[in-house]
Amino acid sequence: GDSVTQMEGPVTLSEEAFLTINCTYTATGYPSLFWYVQYPGEGLQLLLKATKADDKGSNKGFEATYRKETTSFHLEKGSVQVSDSAVYFCALSVTGFQKLVFGTGTRLLVSP
Amino acid sequence: DSGVTQTPKHLITATGQRVTLRCSPRSGDLSVYWYQQSLDQGLQFLIQYYNGEERAKGNILERFSAQQFPDLHSELNLSSLELGDSALYFCASSGLQGFDTEAFFGQGTRLTVV
Repeated sequence: GDSVTQMEGPVTLSEEAFLTINCTYTATGYPSLFWYVQYPGEGLQLLLKATKADDKGSNKGFEATYRKETTSFHLEKGSVQVSDSAVYFCALSVTGFQKLVFGTGTRLLVSP
Repeated sequence: DSGVTQTPKHLITATGQRVTLRCSPRSGDLSVYWYQQSLDQGLQFLIQYYNGEERAKGNILERFSAQQFPDLHSELNLSSLELGDSALYFCASSGLQGFDTEAFFGQGTRLTVV
């Protein structure tokens, strides 16, 4: 079945460090890929998305590239801030299917 | 603010009881999705409604049911509650049938079964 695997956290970084959160997927068909972020006490917010191979999604300094050959969608940011501390979820949606399949989430902690 | 409203924010109830969670989607969104977030199971898709009709079903227990009303708000009914039903329940809405467009999540209802 469709599934998403992302690295376990927490990921602990100092401010201005480089961030990578790995995400790989298994899907039938051609999925769209997403990163959602959940700040403390809030619901999930879409961070970025990519709908086909080699697309790059970007938002708020975060980027992820849809790699079909490696079935990956790794999240990167060049310089993290304390305000980026949150839980990040990788997810996929297969065209024609009416649900998002989420990874388990990766908690990011950024210290000053 | 995502525009999706969930009530109540917190709910504490006893085992065996029944509760109703309510979701008001963003204005104009026809699809409503329910998710359960628990520590051991992560985010699990429960069910989707589109313009009043059930469109997709996930890992929803038979003790749970949902509906979407003509004004597009949705309710998730949980009955014969067990301790393991304690979780954060999220509602999301989107404008089209699928998630290829952005989906907006509410802040969730935290259910505690004691």
